[in-house]
Amino acid sequence: NAGVTQTPKFRILKIGQSMTLQCTQDMNHNYMYWYRQDPGMGLKLIYYSVGAGITDKGEVPNGYNVSRSTTEDFPLRLELAAPSQTSVYFCASSYGRSYNEQFFGPGTRLTVL
Amino acid sequence: DAKTTQPPSMDCAEGRAANLPCNHSTISGNEYVYWYRQIHSQGPQYIIHGLKNNETNEMASLIITEDRKSSTLILPHATLRDTAVYYCIVRFQGGNKLVFGAGTILRVKS
Repeated sequence: NAGVTQTPKFRILKIGQSMTLQCTQDMNHNYMYWYRQDPGMGLKLIYYSVGAGITDKGEVPNGYNVSRSTTEDFPLRLELAAPSQTSVYFCASSYGRSYNEQFFGPGTRLTVL
Repeated sequence: DAKTTQPPSMDCAEGRAANLPCNHSTISGNEYVYWYRQIHSQGPQYIIHGLKNNETNEMASLIITEDRKSSTLILPHATLRDTAVYYCIVRFQGGNKLVFGAGTILRVKS
């Protein structure tokens, strides 16, 4: 099992550009999550999904969109990049909300200039 | 989710036990205590969780006080690879969110 994979590892965007961060898991997990982590801070939840076709907002959803068309994939879309979105983005998955362990991907480091 | 308080940093000698404290005085009866860690630049890694009984697994032990207002994560024989940020998180069992604070930076020194 590859676990949770994320692409790209690094990206630099100009203000106003858009991009999609990819996340794939091969553990057949129902739940998937997107977090962002600013320097020296803990992670904050952006969006999560409890299954294909179902998504919901987390703590900091503004400026992002998600979709979940398959169990495996949970892409995160930035439509109009802003410097405040400079961060490290982590995708995670878990079997269900009653299960305790979330498995995290290696992260995508995004810089918006 | 209840708020947690952790010391910002701790040092531990290699081979010794590392004891990481966490206060969660407003925890409610159906909230669990979780511990994750994050090694530099990597995604967080689950360590252990518990409700009110002490728990042990291959990575660590979790000691929760009887009133559940605080807990301690114990790494029995710390190694240099245990240097990381350790997050104590309180979460409702059916909840979706992990609310991360700033955590404790544990430095294991030889």
